[in-house]
Amino acid sequence: AQKVTQAQTEISVVEKEDVTLDCVYETRDTTYYLFWYKQPPSGELVFLIRRNSFDEQNEISGRYSWNFQKSTSSFNFTITASQVVDSAVYFCALSEAMRGAQKLVFGQGTRLTINP
Amino acid sequence: NAGVTQTPKFRILKIGQSMTLQCTQDMNHNYMYWYRQDPGMGLKLIYYSVGAGITDKGEVPNGYNVSRSTTEDFPLRLELAAPSQTSVYFCASSYENELFFGEGSRLTVL
Repeated sequence: AQKVTQAQTEISVVEKEDVTLDCVYETRDTTYYLFWYKQPPSGELVFLIRRNSFDEQNEISGRYSWNFQKSTSSFNFTITASQVVDSAVYFCALSEAMRGAQKLVFGQGTRLTINP
Repeated sequence: NAGVTQTPKFRILKIGQSMTLQCTQDMNHNYMYWYRQDPGMGLKLIYYSVGAGITDKGEVPNGYNVSRSTTEDFPLRLELAAPSQTSVYFCASSYENELFFGEGSRLTVL
């Protein structure tokens, strides 16, 4: 069975610090997708990134970067120079790629608080 | 282009009542999903559909029913509401491995 573990329940840092959110996954599939979503206090889910299992390149998008390591089954997310607006719950998720249906398995989420 | 629209956004039910959460998407996506998010937890898949007339169970289907008579609509039915169904419900659709979520429906069962 697929499983996603976000061991950090809550993280609190001061603005401008760098912060890394950990994500470890389990799957027996050779083809799968990994996702990160942001859930701000307003409650909606904001898509951040999707990565397929064959693409191990790290990705950077502005202050956000992702480190995908198949050898350790990890897909960690780093925010550089954090800002108060980054305060949210962040979810890592995994889906099998079968018949096109994206059935996501979510981690429990990490609540990130950025203090001014 | 409204994307995925869920109604109602908030609802309070009494134990044993029934209700339907509506979900509509205007992107002509074949794949649609219902997730629930309990407090402090990640989302869990309730039901999904790969096209009109085809539905299948997810991880936590008990207490719910769905139907998919059209590509656009994927309603979620709660027949006998229980306090354990207090949650935030998210509908989603997908196309080429990208998911589009609705804004969520907060349901409280008292």
